[in-house]
Amino acid sequence: GENVEQHPSTLSVQEGDSAVIKCTYSDSASNYFPWYKQELGKRPQLIIDIRSNVGEKKDQRIAVTLNKTAKHFSLHITETQPEDSAVYFCAASTGGSEKLVFGKGTKLTVNP
Amino acid sequence: DTEVTQTPKHLVMGMTNKKSLKCEQHMGHRAMYWYKQKAKKPPELMFVYSYEKLSINESVPSRFSPECPNSSLLNLHLHALQPEDSALYLCASSQDPGVETQYFGPGTRLLVL
Repeated sequence: GENVEQHPSTLSVQEGDSAVIKCTYSDSASNYFPWYKQELGKRPQLIIDIRSNVGEKKDQRIAVTLNKTAKHFSLHITETQPEDSAVYFCAASTGGSEKLVFGKGTKLTVNP
Repeated sequence: DTEVTQTPKHLVMGMTNKKSLKCEQHMGHRAMYWYKQKAKKPPELMFVYSYEKLSINESVPSRFSPECPNSSLLNLHLHALQPEDSALYLCASSQDPGVETQYFGPGTRLLVL
């Protein structure tokens, strides 16, 4: 089955800096890759997703890139703000599968 | 409206109690999910309902019993739980089963004494 590795497990940046979180997946048939942000005590919230027919997607300060050949995808957050502090989870899903396989999460801390 | 609601928000129960968690969505989604999340861990899939039928059971102990009364509602019945079952229980839904965005509810924080 699918396995998703996520790095780093913790990331601390200064406000205004960029943050990058990387995930690798094992199943070459995976074709949907969402990123969720989970603040302490809150629900996971989808922040951006990408499908395998696209190499990059942007939404304001957030971008996701996908390298199908290398089987990895990354989340890029620019101009970080303290409210970006949260745990971020990547996930992967195979077409036709009802299962999202999550990475172990990255705790991002943005220091003012 | 991308809203999934869950009740109760918090639940404390003894190991001999029977309780139920409820999840509701009015987005017309045809797939609904139960996840368990322990502290500092990712959500762990328990059950998937597709078109009101159970399609995935991730080898969950029988003390957890899911039910889908209709396309908008999903219940999780709890009986004879163990302290290690204490966790955040998240419900999610998606437009269709498969490669679709899943929207999570706020969760029920369960403590088993």
